[in-house]
Amino acid sequence: DAGVIQSPRHEVTEMGQEVTLRCKPISGHNSLFWYRQTMMRGLELLIYFNNNVPIDDSGMPEDRFSAKMPNASFSTLKIQPSEPRDSAVYFCASSPYSPGRGFGYEQYFGPGTRLTVT
Amino acid sequence: AQTVTQSQPEMSVQEAETVTLSCTYDTSESDYYLFWYKQPPSRQMILVIRQEAYKQQNATENRFSVNFQKAAKSFSLKISDSQLGDAAMYFCAYRRRGGSQGNLIFGKGTKLSVKP
Repeated sequence: DAGVIQSPRHEVTEMGQEVTLRCKPISGHNSLFWYRQTMMRGLELLIYFNNNVPIDDSGMPEDRFSAKMPNASFSTLKIQPSEPRDSAVYFCASSPYSPGRGFGYEQYFGPGTRLTVT
Repeated sequence: AQTVTQSQPEMSVQEAETVTLSCTYDTSESDYYLFWYKQPPSRQMILVIRQEAYKQQNATENRFSVNFQKAAKSFSLKISDSQLGDAAMYFCAYRRRGGSQGNLIFGKGTKLSVKP
């Protein structure tokens, strides 16, 4: 299996521009998580989906951030407009989930997207 | 709310020696998972070891083992026979078992250096 795929790996943009980060989860995994990693705040959850439905978006910092999962094999995290404080590494992770058994043991992480907003 | 605390921002160990990384957590739940993740300079998050809270036996994976003290809410990682490739950031993480809340809650991490 190719694992969780994220693109781009690096993104440099100017303040005010729209940024779109992409994630392809592992085939068969029906839960998808977006995390952000910064020096100040560490790793924190932004949003996660079960079966393409957003379950918890309480970690999304503000309205400039939005996430979608139009189908089981693709998700996007969009920042519009971007600001320098959004500079971070953004991780996508996936996990199997079933209502009866709950989440699988492990979350499989993608390689991350390093975002720099100047 | 659950929290995870790693009190050692940095640790250093001599190659072939043993090192222990500390982690404490706070939760009112009785059933949960605890994890140690490794993040090398490549940024990839790699699961090192997992512990189910309902299991009394400490988890072991080759040179990696944990000391799980449920009453004390402590979950330390021991690395034996340290190797240069063990140098990385190590994150302790918590996750509820069951329910719909499946996200990981991470500590701030411990940077481990391995000296040759």
